[in-house]
Amino acid sequence: GAVVSQHPSWVICKSGTSVKIECRSLDFQATTMFWYRQFPKQSLMLMATSNEGSKATYEQGVEKDKFLINHASLTLSTLTVTSAHPEDSSFYICSARVPGQGPEQYFGPGTRLTVT
Amino acid sequence: AQTVTQSQPEMSVQEAETVTLSCTYDTSENNYYLFWYKQPPSRQMILVIRQEAYKQQNATENRFSVNFQKAAKSFSLKISDSQLGDTAMYFCAFMKHNSGGSNYKLTFGKGTLLTVNP
Repeated sequence: GAVVSQHPSWVICKSGTSVKIECRSLDFQATTMFWYRQFPKQSLMLMATSNEGSKATYEQGVEKDKFLINHASLTLSTLTVTSAHPEDSSFYICSARVPGQGPEQYFGPGTRLTVT
Repeated sequence: AQTVTQSQPEMSVQEAETVTLSCTYDTSENNYYLFWYKQPPSRQMILVIRQEAYKQQNATENRFSVNFQKAAKSFSLKISDSQLGDTAMYFCAFMKHNSGGSNYKLTFGKGTLLTVNP
């Protein structure tokens, strides 16, 4: 149990375009999901907390107008990188915890974004 | 704010031997959780082990065990009988013990790259 998927696993887009990344909890309902960014050979940095049915909570320094998060259902959160630039190229990972089953977060396999 | 420090950027160990990865953290909280996650070359984050701060007994999961020293704010991971599949980046992580979705945030250390040699 506690499987989280992400789609796509990798995406290449042109500078100035927008790209959407999906995060799904496959076998549980997630009221809260988390979005992280990971640069090569570096740690995970929390970008925002996605709350079902309400606005996301962004970490300090994260541009909410650039990284749009929508948590429209209990099994799906989306991250849209708007007007992407090469510096947005990174590995994006989502996670979720199973409500009522402890604090562990279960991670998706990640999405590699390359902006050309 | 919490900080997590992993002072060993890279380590290596021979197959079947034991290795210990170190982690220290800084917090003013009394109740919290500590985790070790591994990230193999596939980049899938996998939970290795969890420790609740209020528990004195060190957590153990098969070949993985921790040495939790609350007063010293130290949380090391021992891997026994190392296997080639243990080769991965290992991240130590901290979480406050509070209710509410936004308080289940993880703070990660910078990671230790462990290589198990045949």
